[in-house]
Amino acid sequence: AQSVTQLGSHVSVSEGALVLLRCNYSSSVPPYLFWYVQYPNQGLQLLLKYTTGATLVKGINGFEAEFKKSETSFHLTKPSAHMSDAAEYFCAVSDGQGGSEKLVFGKGTKLTVNP
Amino acid sequence: NAGVTQTPKFRILKIGQSMTLQCTQDMNHNYMYWYRQDPGMGLKLIYYSVGAGITDKGEVPNGYNVSRSTTEDFPLRLELAAPSQTSVYFCASSPDWGRFTEAFFGQGTRLTVV
Repeated sequence: AQSVTQLGSHVSVSEGALVLLRCNYSSSVPPYLFWYVQYPNQGLQLLLKYTTGATLVKGINGFEAEFKKSETSFHLTKPSAHMSDAAEYFCAVSDGQGGSEKLVFGKGTKLTVNP
Repeated sequence: NAGVTQTPKFRILKIGQSMTLQCTQDMNHNYMYWYRQDPGMGLKLIYYSVGAGITDKGEVPNGYNVSRSTTEDFPLRLELAAPSQTSVYFCASSPDWGRFTEAFFGQGTRLTVV
C-alpha cells in the first residue's frame, strides 16, 4: 500500500528565504505524486503534480518539486518565501492504477513565514 | 463557477444525534470523495464514489454512510454522533479515476460532537 511521510510538521522561514518541504513516499508501482496547499479555513487546492515525464515539476505561486525515484522523494521548494505562502502543505500519492487508486495524504507541514 | 459546495460550514451535535453533511458539485465529475481532517493527522478517506449508484468504503468508514443518487450530490450521513467524529470534513471530486488528474475540494464542514 502507498504511504507518504512528510518530515517536519512545522517549518519556519524568513521572508525571502528558501522554502524546502520534504516528502518521501512508498509505492509498489510508479506513483502519481501531488502537493496540495491549504490556507486557513479553506479547502485544499492543487499546487503541482507529477504523473510521468519530466521529473522537475513546476506549479503555481513559484513552487516546484522534483521526483527522485532513487530516493523515493518529492520535495517541494520555492526560492524566495513570501508572507502569502504561510499555509499548510500536504504531499499525496496515488498508485496510478486504473480503478483502484486513491489519494493517500501525508500528515501535513505547516509553513510559517516570518517578516 | 461554484465547484464543490459543502453545507453546513459549522455544526455542533450532541452525542447520539444524527445529521447529514451535504456536498454538491457542478463540474459533472464522476468521482467524489469524503475525507476527514484531524490536527496533525492529514486527511483520511471515509467513503468514495465512482459514479451515481456506486459507493465504496475508504480507510475510516465506521460510523458513516453515504449515497450517490445523482452525479452532482454525495451526502455523508452520521447516524449516532460520537465525540470521535469531531473533525473537519472535506468533500472532493475529480474528473478522472484511471489517470488521476486533480481533486477539487470544498471549503469543509467543521463538526463538533459534545
